[in-house]
Amino acid sequence: RKEVEQDPGPFNVPEGATVAFNCTYSNSASQSFFWYRQDCRKEPKLLMSVYSSGNEDGRFTAQLNRASQYISLLIRDSKLSDSATYLCVVNGHTNAGKSTFGDGTTLTVKP
Amino acid sequence: DAGITQSPRHKVTETGTPVTLRCHQTENHRYMYWYRQDPGHGLRLIHYSYGVKDTDKGEVSDGYSVSRSKTEDFLLTLESATSSQTSVYFCAIGGSPLHFGNGTRLTVT
Repeated sequence: RKEVEQDPGPFNVPEGATVAFNCTYSNSASQSFFWYRQDCRKEPKLLMSVYSSGNEDGRFTAQLNRASQYISLLIRDSKLSDSATYLCVVNGHTNAGKSTFGDGTTLTVKP
Repeated sequence: DAGITQSPRHKVTETGTPVTLRCHQTENHRYMYWYRQDPGHGLRLIHYSYGVKDTDKGEVSDGYSVSRSKTEDFLLTLESATSSQTSVYFCAIGGSPLHFGNGTRLTVT
């Protein structure tokens, strides 16, 4: 079983749709959590951190459930430019150390 | 964007030849990492460094070595390239979260 698991998709949604991605992790000692976005043939870029209290950045909302070891990302009012692969990342240390990446969920937003 | 430069951006090499990839940072960060990304495997850690001359292995370190003689430079060497090392290689800096360079596409023929 992988340490970080994501539904690979692909998710194909129309513009304006709401879409949710889920991620589970196996290490209960994990301390920090992130969502990254990766465009085709480009480097992963930090989208947002994930906190237990939940956090929002515009159309994006991230949630963490430590009891269930589960992370989610919600995208509202999808745009064509949201088409990308979204990576769930879990880190065992708050400041440094090795991050574990999910394989990513691919989103395509269609007109 | 974090100041991370990888070179070369693209390389084609033959099986059995040594190859060195370079990562240069201007952020003075203590931690640097090398990852490879392959379809079906996601990002996998090859080696990382927690300071000058301090390095350690990641989950897929066989066939790779690294060196860090200066804070700003982290080199990844494929001692004798194989076709299985055809991949996209990303350097990253930081701790939590990581910031990535723009990658090196390596093809071993």
